[in-house]
This record gives sequence, C-alpha cells and structure tokens, in this order.
Amino acid sequence: ILNVEQSPQSLHVQEGDSTNFTCSFPSSNFYALHWYRWETAKSPEALFVMTLNGDEKKKGRISATLNTKEGYSYLYIKGSQPEDSATYLCGGDQFYFGTGTSLTVIP
Amino acid sequence: SQTIHQWPATLVQPVGSPLSLECTVEGTSNPNLYWYRQAAGRGLQLLFYSVGIGQISSEVPQNLSASRPQDRQFILSSKKLLLSDSGFYLCAWSFGTGGINSPLHFGNGTRLTVT
Repeated sequence: ILNVEQSPQSLHVQEGDSTNFTCSFPSSNFYALHWYRWETAKSPEALFVMTLNGDEKKKGRISATLNTKEGYSYLYIKGSQPEDSATYLCGGDQFYFGTGTSLTVIP
Repeated sequence: SQTIHQWPATLVQPVGSPLSLECTVEGTSNPNLYWYRQAAGRGLQLLFYSVGIGQISSEVPQNLSASRPQDRQFILSSKKLLLSDSGFYLCAWSFGTGGINSPLHFGNGTRLTVT
C-alpha cells in the first residue's frame, strides 16, 4: 500500500492570490502521480499525470511539479479565482489517493 | 467521445439488505474499470479494479464484491450491507492501453446510506 499524504487539509485564499499544495509519498514506490480537481456536486476531473522526476506540467493557471527522489509533488494555482474552489486530490498510480486539499477562494 | 454512467445517485438501505450498484462506459473498448469509496472524513479508497471481462482485483477485503459481466459494465454488490458500508461510491474508467499513465474518468457517484 502506498501512503499518500496531502497538505494542507484545507485552505482559504483571497481572489487573485497564488497558492500551492503538497502531495507526499514514499519515494520511488510508484509509476505515475495523478492530480484531480473535485468540485462540489461534480465528479473528479483529471488535471495531470506525471511520471518522470523533475516533470512539470501546466494547464492554464494551474501547474504541477514532481520530485520522485524526495517523494513529493506540488500543485500551484496562480491568481486564484472563485471557480478554482474545489478539493484537489493526488494519487499514486490509479490506486492510492490522499485525503485531498480543500481550496476555497474568497471573492 | 467517451461517457460513463453510474446509478443510482442516492440510495438508503437497511442493514442486512443486498446492494447492487451499476456502472457502464460508452465510446471505448476494453477499458480498465474501478470502484472507489469515500467514507465520511476519509480519502478515496480503491475497492476493486478490472482489466477485462471476468477479471477482478480486490484491494481491500470486505463485505463487497464486484463483477464485470460485459466489457463496459462494472457492478458492485453486497449480499448483506453493514453500517460501515455507508459512503460515497465512485466508478471510474481509464484506457486499457494507457496503463498507469492513463488518467481516470469518474462517474457522478452514488451516495449510500445504510440505516
């Protein structure tokens, strides 16, 4: 079992602020790191799948980095908007998920 | 394009009653299929996954079972529900050819309350 941990558990930011969350896992114990956004009353939506150490991916204002040697991934949101409010999940392969970071962006 | 259907959306069942949740995928062949559960205050837990018809892998021994009678149909069942089976159940699929690199596509979920 891959123990995936996410921090912080919840986060409130003002509209326009940039923010980031952490996903940590036992290093070198998986093949792919997945990030999902889960909005209330919707199903989780895939953001990124990363496999290589040093990998960096970007989608609009959201980006993610991966460090497999030290066992962490960061998700960054630049200029947060109210529509970014959601729970952000990370998972090792498709099997092991953290408890998520709940982001609330205050207008 | 691919779509996933999961039903019912909500379910209230008494302890000891049976359970059947169904999930179907359209627009792709030989997908990998998954059942997850999120219990109150907990993370998303993988229950079962399947790489083909009749092939089921169980991640957590428990009161539930899964079956894949057709290529794009995945069923979660229980003969007798327990209170601890309450939670939010999500079905998902990924491209079978993509392996672990393939992102998951989730259904809308089923809120199960066992009373």
